[in-house]
Amino acid sequence: GAGVSQSPSNKVTEKGKDVELRCDPISGHTALYWYRQSLGQGLEFLIYFQGNSAPDKSGLPSDRFSAERTGGSVSTLTIQRTQQEDSAVYLCASSWLADTDTQYFGPGTRLTVL
Amino acid sequence: KQEVTQIPAALSVPEGENLVLNCSFTDSAIYNLQWFRQDPGKGLTSLLLIQSSQREQTSGRLNASLDKSSGRSTLYIAASQPGDSATYLCALPSSNTGKLIFGQGTTLQVKP
Repeated sequence: GAGVSQSPSNKVTEKGKDVELRCDPISGHTALYWYRQSLGQGLEFLIYFQGNSAPDKSGLPSDRFSAERTGGSVSTLTIQRTQQEDSAVYLCASSWLADTDTQYFGPGTRLTVL
Repeated sequence: KQEVTQIPAALSVPEGENLVLNCSFTDSAIYNLQWFRQDPGKGLTSLLLIQSSQREQTSGRLNASLDKSSGRSTLYIAASQPGDSATYLCALPSSNTGKLIFGQGTTLQVKP
């Protein structure tokens, strides 16, 4: 079946602009994760959704970052007033269950803030 | 706080060689451990997942082992091929929510 998809694949924006990144998880997966991969920091967790529960936002680096998941499926990560340090690859992953299952990753969105 | 370390950071081997990648973690109370592969400019591909109750998992030429007591996992690649060239990452959930903590990765180059 179809894997995790993300759009856009690349996004170039100017400092101060808002951006939205989209993730379509594998159908039926209840858990959805956002991670960020940057040269200096490696891969780091951002936010986690599980079913209808309140999301775990403990990894969001600032209040400029937010995410939502509509209808238990598609998720959007929004970065407001982008800064150059936000430049990174943003990866989305999904799994059937949270603690025991394989996480399947999308191809990522490469964000460049000029 | 769980910390994950991978050694070496980079490895270059001739084709056909067997090799071992290492992953160590500081907190042995883990749920599972997952090995991923990442090709340049691409997302992560899951290779193997070992549950905390398991000692090893095998998939084709790959074998991953887990020793919780020593806080170590190894990924063994048999008869390496140039197509195996990639960055290999190990990751563990920090809690039962599954949010992963990643090592910095080992970048493998297999030379023809």
